[in-house]
Amino acid sequence: DAKTTQPPSMDCAEGRAANLPCNHSTISGNEYVYWYRQIHSQGPQYIIHGLKNNETNEMASLIITEDRKSSTLILPHATLRDTAVYYCIVAPYKLSFGAGTTVTVRA
Amino acid sequence: NAGVTQTPKFQVLKTGQSMTLQCAQDMNHEYMSWYRQDPGMGLRLIHYSVGAGITDQGEVPNGYNVSRSTTEDFPLRLLSAAPSQTSVYFCASSRSYRDRGSNEQFFGPGTRLTVL
Repeated sequence: DAKTTQPPSMDCAEGRAANLPCNHSTISGNEYVYWYRQIHSQGPQYIIHGLKNNETNEMASLIITEDRKSSTLILPHATLRDTAVYYCIVAPYKLSFGAGTTVTVRA
Repeated sequence: NAGVTQTPKFQVLKTGQSMTLQCAQDMNHEYMSWYRQDPGMGLRLIHYSVGAGITDQGEVPNGYNVSRSTTEDFPLRLLSAAPSQTSVYFCASSRSYRDRGSNEQFFGPGTRLTVL
């Protein structure tokens, strides 16, 4: 399975957009990019996924580069409730969670 | 739909005791899995199942058994609890494992286990 690399942490101001990068240079042609987040000690929550086109839903937008070697999750208007650990995953179904990016939204 | 439910929410065991963590989903999902999360760490896959009667090992299966006799239930058994198994356990399910574009997983609230 392809591995992913994410920055360990980032801060964001409330109301501003949060852009979370992820590298997945060994991704294969039929692997999707999935994003999850985990708020405090709750179970992870699915956010969004995509193959090669940009995707948007009520929670976030996902931008995947043309060569599919990296992607960016965008939280358009971060709120304090978006403070969480965000995981970028490339896997068929056996999810492999690394350390993720700890996002802290500050008032 | 209740989604993915787990019982108990909290459990304290003594070394050597056995117990079963329960997981159920009411979404008719094909795929179910168990993860453990140690403090400050990411989730690690213990066992998974792609359908009733089919299970397989994940990254850290030692000390745990699973079975999948129905689509809805996927219990995790600790055979002889050890302090190293102190962790938070999450169960998850997804509609399909074959369709890579439909693998979003739904997680339960977790079981917090302490082994003394």
